[in-house]
Amino acid sequence: GAVVSQHPSWVICKSGTSVKIECRSLDFQATTMFWYRQFPKQSLMLMATSNEGSKATYEQGVEKDKFLINHASLTLSTLTVTSAHPEDSSFYICSARNDLQYFGPGTRLTVL
Amino acid sequence: GQQVMQIPQYQHVQEGEDFTTYCNSSTTLSNIQWYKQRPGGHPVFLIQLVKSGEVKKQKRLTFQFGEAKKNSSLHITATQTTDVGTYFCAESDGNKLVFGAGTILRVKS
Repeated sequence: GAVVSQHPSWVICKSGTSVKIECRSLDFQATTMFWYRQFPKQSLMLMATSNEGSKATYEQGVEKDKFLINHASLTLSTLTVTSAHPEDSSFYICSARNDLQYFGPGTRLTVL
Repeated sequence: GQQVMQIPQYQHVQEGEDFTTYCNSSTTLSNIQWYKQRPGGHPVFLIQLVKSGEVKKQKRLTFQFGEAKKNSSLHITATQTTDVGTYFCAESDGNKLVFGAGTILRVKS
């Protein structure tokens, strides 16, 4: 199956700082990537759809100025959590669409 | 958008017992996908069902899609400790996936 990587796998940061998470499709090109957030023992909640070469489409309730998404190439999308706060601590997972959606291994963010 | 309801939320079984999780929708689904997420891991695609009444098997796993395409189930026969994790159904809403709440499976050996 297709491979999607994420970096970093975990990050701890101080409140008020910004964190960038990378999502890469390693063996296929993805015009569309997706960013999800998952809190402990909960389901995956779609945050936004990242479109190569255009603006991301955000789900209702997700602040686009706080969660900046850039999809600069067909194999890379980045999510930047700006001015992070403890309530942003979560498991962030990206996926890339080929014939199906393939998920990255996730990034565990802890904001102190 | 569409929403799939998934039950049960949690199930704890003895190794060797069977396990079933169900997904239901109030509207007709174009397709339904099933994923497994191990503790600490990411969702891994298991299968996609598209046709009304479709039944697919993967070893001890049996997936069904209802005749009306409004419900689906995943059944595991004779659970093993390697089956532990959270099982999610997901339906396609346009270009994106909408996940059910998931069923957490724990297996006692």
